[in-house]
Amino acid sequence: GDSVTQMEGPVTLSEEAFLTINCTYTATGYPSLFWYVQYPGEGLQLLLKATKADDKGSNKGFEATYRKETTSFHLEKGSVQVSDSAVYFCAQTGSGAGSYQLTFGKGTKLSVIP
Amino acid sequence: DTAVSQTPKYLVTQMGNDKSIKCEQNLGHDTMYWYKQDSKKFLKIMFSYNNKELIINETVPNRFSPKSPDKAHLNLHINSLELGDSAVYFCASSQGGSRGSPLHFGNGTRLTVT
Repeated sequence: GDSVTQMEGPVTLSEEAFLTINCTYTATGYPSLFWYVQYPGEGLQLLLKATKADDKGSNKGFEATYRKETTSFHLEKGSVQVSDSAVYFCAQTGSGAGSYQLTFGKGTKLSVIP
Repeated sequence: DTAVSQTPKYLVTQMGNDKSIKCEQNLGHDTMYWYKQDSKKFLKIMFSYNNKELIINETVPNRFSPKSPDKAHLNLHINSLELGDSAVYFCASSQGGSRGSPLHFGNGTRLTVT
C-alpha cells in the first residue's frame, strides 16, 4: 500500500539554523502532498500543501517542493525559531476510494534551542 | 469558535469498561475521521465517514464502533477496553475527502486504560 517515509528524529537545532526534514512517498499517480505540524498538547494543523508536480507549498517561512522525479516533498526553513519546536508530519492522499484517506509519515520531532 | 471539538480531553478508565468519545465539527464539512496516535506519535486512520456513510474502516478491533448521527458529528464508542487501547485519539474533518482538501483536527482525547 501507499506509504510515506520521513527522516527519523528527534532533530535538535540552534535558533536561526537551517532546517531540512526529508520526506518521500510511494503513491502511484499524482497524490496531493502535505506537511502538518503538531505543537505540544494540540492536534495537527496544516502547514503547507502541494497538489501537483513542481508545485511549491509555503507558509510561515517553511517551504516544500513536490518532486515527481524523486517522489519527494522535503520540508525546509532557512532560519528556525524556538517557537518552531513541534512534531512535523508529511502526508499524502491516495487515489479513488483512497482519496478519503490521508497516509502520514511517522513524524519528526524538532527541538529548537536558544 | 472551535472548528473541530472533541470531548473529553482526558479519559482514564479501567480495563473492561465501555467508553465513548464525542466529536463535533462546525465547518460544514462532509467527511469526518478518527485517527489513533500511539506513544511514538505514529498516526493511523481508523474510520472515515462521508455524509454519514462509512467509507474507510481500517483493521481495528470490532470493539471500536463509530456512530455518525449527522454530518457534523462522529462519535467513537469503545467496548471492553484493553491496556493497548491507551493512546491519543484524534477526530478530524475535511470537505469532499482529503484529496487537496486539508484535514482539520481536534485537539485529541488522551485515553489511559489501567
